[in-house]
Amino acid sequence: DTGVSQDPRHKITKRGQNVTFRCDPISEHNRLYWYRQTLGQGPEFLTYFQNEAQLEKSRLLSDRFSAERPKGSFSTLEIQRTEQGDSAMYLCASSLDTLGVGYTFGSGTRLTVV
Amino acid sequence: KQEVTQIPAALSVPEGENLVLNCSFTDSAIYNLQWFRQDPGKGLTSLLLIQSSQREQTSGRLNASLDKSSGRSTLYIAASQPGDSATYLCAGALTNFGNEKLTFGTGTRLTIIP
Repeated sequence: DTGVSQDPRHKITKRGQNVTFRCDPISEHNRLYWYRQTLGQGPEFLTYFQNEAQLEKSRLLSDRFSAERPKGSFSTLEIQRTEQGDSAMYLCASSLDTLGVGYTFGSGTRLTVV
Repeated sequence: KQEVTQIPAALSVPEGENLVLNCSFTDSAIYNLQWFRQDPGKGLTSLLLIQSSQREQTSGRLNASLDKSSGRSTLYIAASQPGDSATYLCAGALTNFGNEKLTFGTGTRLTIIP
């Protein structure tokens, strides 16, 4: 297992288009998180899965955003009708619900909306 | 609501010097604190994880401490090297029905001058 994988690494899209990102967590990790990071800021929490259940969504996640984790394995984050303000780095992380196990982040997907 | 602050925003030191990065948080009921490194345009690499029951963790030239009572954590880097140049982020987790989502600071951009 090589860690958390995210695809694509970069995405440029026109305003109004839909985009979908994929995250493959570390195989034995049951927790999966999505974060968003804009330039010069720390990552902000978007949503969280425990296995296949989406347990929490941030107010940052408008109704244009949807995330899924079918079968508790990989996850997808879809943004509909993209806006320029959606331009950011989208980071995925996974962890275990075990004391002492921290987060492992992927390399992120950089979205640019033009 | 947990707030995490990192000061200074940027720091430059000559190669070989020891240095300390600071992180403060508002909620002392922190579950754990994690330090990350981020290179430009990249994802986050976990450096050290400190559980609330611990006071410090060490890995190679890095040492992180946690003082819950004062709401502070420090990351000590010994014998700095140009390869240490990166942005360093601290993030705290609060227990929330088992959801240990992280709240990040805005980071300290470290430059090691050869």
